[in-house]
Amino acid sequence: AQSVAQPEDQVNVAEGNPLTVKCTYSVSGNPYLFWYVQYPNRGLQFLLKYITGDNLVKGSYGFEAEFNKSQTSFHLKKPSALVSDSALYFCAVRPDSNYQLIWGAGTKLIIKP
Amino acid sequence: DTEVTQTPKHLVMGMTNKKSLKCEQHMGHRAMYWYKQKAKKPPELMFVYSYEKLSINESVPSRFSPECPNSSLLNLHLHALQPEDSALYLCASSQPGANVLTFGAGSRLTVL
Repeated sequence: AQSVAQPEDQVNVAEGNPLTVKCTYSVSGNPYLFWYVQYPNRGLQFLLKYITGDNLVKGSYGFEAEFNKSQTSFHLKKPSALVSDSALYFCAVRPDSNYQLIWGAGTKLIIKP
Repeated sequence: DTEVTQTPKHLVMGMTNKKSLKCEQHMGHRAMYWYKQKAKKPPELMFVYSYEKLSINESVPSRFSPECPNSSLLNLHLHALQPEDSALYLCASSQPGANVLTFGAGSRLTVL
């Protein structure tokens, strides 16, 4: 079965430190990979995507993600965390253009001042 | 306009009520989606409309009835809901086959 794993329910980071939110997937072929963020009581917002090309993808709010095909991972990163980055982060994978998104379980990111 | 607007933001209804959730976008997107999201969980796809035609129904109970009157509007009609249907209902839009979804802020539904 095709799946997306976010192994950490919660990640705690001090403000100013680098952050990483992990995502691995088990999907056949060459999937499209996404990160979305959800602030409290809000809908989801698109952060970034990987379809093809450079393995390092830059997105909104200073976030970036690194695609690693051999490890089937797409970890979200930011060099210096802000308290305002505290939110729920979802990794999602689209197996190909004819499939709907497969969502990870989400990771709650807490940035402490 | 790069927004998806959902109304109402909050809705409380009894199990015998009939209500509707509304969603509107003016980005020219021709695919529109309904998702259901429980607290701290990923969104669950319910329905997809592509070019105003229902293309995906993820085996959703008939007490949820979607409607797409035109390319900008998406409704979700609710009838005889159960308390377990209480959730955040998210509308999203995209170009058909496109990869990025634009979500609304959601309608938080409480069924008593």
